[in-house]
Amino acid sequence: GESVGLHLPTLSVQEGDNSIINCAYSNSASDYFIWYKQESGKGPQFIIDIRSNMDKRQGQRVTVLLNKTVKHLSLQIAATQPGDSAVYFCAENLSMNTGFQKLVFGTGTRLLVSP
Amino acid sequence: SQTIHQWPATLVQPVGSPLSLECTVEGTSNPNLYWYRQAAGRGLQLLFYSVGIGQISSEVPQNLSASRPQDRQFILSSKKLLLSDSGFYLCAWSVRGNTGELFFGEGSRLTVL
Repeated sequence: GESVGLHLPTLSVQEGDNSIINCAYSNSASDYFIWYKQESGKGPQFIIDIRSNMDKRQGQRVTVLLNKTVKHLSLQIAATQPGDSAVYFCAENLSMNTGFQKLVFGTGTRLLVSP
Repeated sequence: SQTIHQWPATLVQPVGSPLSLECTVEGTSNPNLYWYRQAAGRGLQLLFYSVGIGQISSEVPQNLSASRPQDRQFILSSKKLLLSDSGFYLCAWSVRGNTGELFFGEGSRLTVL
């Protein structure tokens, strides 16, 4: 069945370092991907998204890379700050023109940033 | 601007008791609405989605039900809670369509004892 998974459950970095969080997806027909950040006890917050017709998209301090050949998604955070500490989820959209967004989430990677 | 509210934020319920979690969205019309559950240390599992009033689709067989009595109101219910219903429940909305981000509420943590 469809699944989205993450390679590393926990990533520890020093403040100021660049962070890379990886994600593998299984459905080659997925047309849209999102990264969310979730702080403890809160709902997920949108970080950045990318459509399947792109392979890179940049935001403020964040970059998402999409490699459709190997079905791999990554989130790069530049100059990581303590406030970036959270669990990060990737999600793939399997809606297939159903009229709603059917997002399948990975299990998450915890990012720990040390000052 | 659009906002989403869900409540209660936390509740502890005995096994066999009923459940009602409510979610409302403001500042938009005709949203898609979703209920997700998140087990401890895990990802989000889609439970229900709705594309309109009275239109509910279930993604997984379970002890829960959902209703959408108004355009921007989504309710998650159970007649008799099970221990396995414990978790963090998240309501979300999105613009009608096939792609686009979901906007999540702050979540409701349910503990069934």
